[in-house]
Amino acid sequence: GIQVEQSPPDLILQEGANSTLRCNFSDSVNNLQWFHQNPWGQLINLFYIPSGTKQNGRLSATTVATERYSLLYISSSQTTDSGVYFCAVRPTGNQFYFGTGTSLTVIP
Amino acid sequence: GAGVSQSPSNKVTEKGKDVELRCDPISGHTALYWYRQSLGQGLEFLIYFQGNSAPDKSGLPSDRFSAERTGGSVSTLTIQRTQQEDSAVYLCASLLAGAYNEQFFGPGTRLTVL
Repeated sequence: GIQVEQSPPDLILQEGANSTLRCNFSDSVNNLQWFHQNPWGQLINLFYIPSGTKQNGRLSATTVATERYSLLYISSSQTTDSGVYFCAVRPTGNQFYFGTGTSLTVIP
Repeated sequence: GAGVSQSPSNKVTEKGKDVELRCDPISGHTALYWYRQSLGQGLEFLIYFQGNSAPDKSGLPSDRFSAERTGGSVSTLTIQRTQQEDSAVYLCASLLAGAYNEQFFGPGTRLTVL
């Protein structure tokens, strides 16, 4: 099956700093989502972004489908941004494949 | 309802017992997924339902696992003769049909097998 790799695996930031999270995938996809899993385990939708660029407040994302990667940008990080960030992709078929996540800790 | 709901939120059971986990998808969503997340890991696909089509069961780890979806809405994941390695968070997601749509997750059921 498709391989989904996220980097970095762990990230510690000072509040107010910016960061870039990366998701690489090994095959063409028709669906890509970014999620934030909060400390209580709830998966929160951030972006549906199979291609192009989107922005939502302090967060933005870019997917370059032809080069098989997506980037999630977090600016002016806050302690509430802490948690695990997952990308999920779907090639042909029904199944979504999740990366192993980036664990983010924002310290005040 | 407004979002995906799951019950129970926590389930503790003894090894060898059967358990049933429930998922109520977003109204109007015809597709439904079950996933398993072990501690500190990513999500593992279990099963996919789409409308009245036969489910995609390719992710079920053993024949002790089964799922059904009644009336195209509520789904139940059943684990028979539970084992300690079944301990995990079981997550359900629903989405509108088609490749170009977002999946939305429920809060999950944390299963602990003693």
